[in-house]
Amino acid sequence: EDQVTQSPEALRLQEGESSSLNCSYTVSGLRGLFWYRQDPGKGPEFLFTLYSAGEEKEKERLKATLTKKESFLHITAPKPEDSATYLCAVQARTGNQFYFGTGTSLTVIP
Amino acid sequence: EAGVTQSPTHLIKTRGQQVTLRCSPISGHTSVYWYQQALGLGLQFLLWYDEGEERNRGNFPPRFSGRQFPNYSSELNVNALELEDSALYLCASSRLNTGELFFGEGSRLTVL
Repeated sequence: EDQVTQSPEALRLQEGESSSLNCSYTVSGLRGLFWYRQDPGKGPEFLFTLYSAGEEKEKERLKATLTKKESFLHITAPKPEDSATYLCAVQARTGNQFYFGTGTSLTVIP
Repeated sequence: EAGVTQSPTHLIKTRGQQVTLRCSPISGHTSVYWYQQALGLGLQFLLWYDEGEERNRGNFPPRFSGRQFPNYSSELNVNALELEDSALYLCASSRLNTGELFFGEGSRLTVL
């Protein structure tokens, strides 16, 4: 069964304290893995797409990496404005279904 | 370029009523997805439309239905509302087979 598991569920960091969020996935043939940021009461905002193991993408303080079984979202020197829920999703090669994890709620304390 | 737009942004209904939510995709996107996000829960897949056809639906009862119009906009209809239908309903669009979903801001439904 295709599924996505994110950890931790919640993470509190001091401003400037770097860390990583994990997304483990099981899918019968990966078409793509996606990271989103979601602010409270708003729709998810697209961040990255990763297609194959070894691929990396960067945007400001965020860097996403992909292996055959998991993806990491590394946050370097976070700021309070990085506080949000970060969602991971995978898309299987067969069909067009997207499977979302339940997210990691990140709080960055000034 | 305009993003995905949804309406209404907020609405309050009572049990047993019916609701229609609307979504306009990004120009050039032919696929529309609907998701339900209940408070504190993850995104639950409802429906996927492409080129006017329903391509897939999630594990929801038949009172959740929708359609896609020739201009690729979409409606989600929920009949016989129940309290547990209270949630943020998110619409997303994509170009078929290109991956990324782009989400609207959602419609917050409260059922009393």
